[in-house]
Amino acid sequence: GQNIDQPTEMTATEGAIVQINCTYQTSGFNGLFWYQQHAGEAPTFLSYNVLDGLEEKGRFSSFLSRSKGYSYLLLKELQMKDSASYLCAVMDSNYQLIWGAGTKLIIKP
Amino acid sequence: IAGITQAPTSQILAAGRRMTLRCTQDMRHNAMYWYRQDLGLGLRLIHYSNTAGTTGKGEVPDGYSVSRANTDDFPLTLASAVPSQTSVYFCASSDSSGGTGELFFGEGSRLTVL
Repeated sequence: GQNIDQPTEMTATEGAIVQINCTYQTSGFNGLFWYQQHAGEAPTFLSYNVLDGLEEKGRFSSFLSRSKGYSYLLLKELQMKDSASYLCAVMDSNYQLIWGAGTKLIIKP
Repeated sequence: IAGITQAPTSQILAAGRRMTLRCTQDMRHNAMYWYRQDLGLGLRLIHYSNTAGTTGKGEVPDGYSVSRANTDDFPLTLASAVPSQTSVYFCASSDSSGGTGELFFGEGSRLTVL
């Protein structure tokens, strides 16, 4: 079956760096997405990786290794507003998105 | 700029009742989707539409139906609601059904079936 694994919850300190990991097993691969979802709100797009390597976008970076079925989202200079759930999703060979359950990130002052 | 609008935002419904969740987008995206989100689970696809006039079943389609009469509207109907359909429902759209377009989500509809 298809599976996306990510930690359920992580805690980090304001101003620090945190890395949220995502491992996947899917039928084919057509890209990996990261979304941010604040409590009670809709998910919003953060990043997309289809080739191996690191994509940097401001304080957020996303890394992909297709051979390892692995990605991470790196958040630098954490701010209180970064407290949210971070959703990893993989597009399979049928162009359907398979979603992880999300990682709840708690930022402490 | 509205993006995607869902209605209602919240609803309490008696089991056995019929309910339609409305979804309208103004971005002229060809693909639209309905997901449900439950605690501890990832987003699960209920139904999708790659273009107006066509629909397809997702991972959890039972008990739900959709229609896509035009590009902008994609309503989701629960013919006879059951308590297991208590969830938060998100409508989403993208500008490429088979490509790599990001999803744009509505604000969600929180449905409670008693």
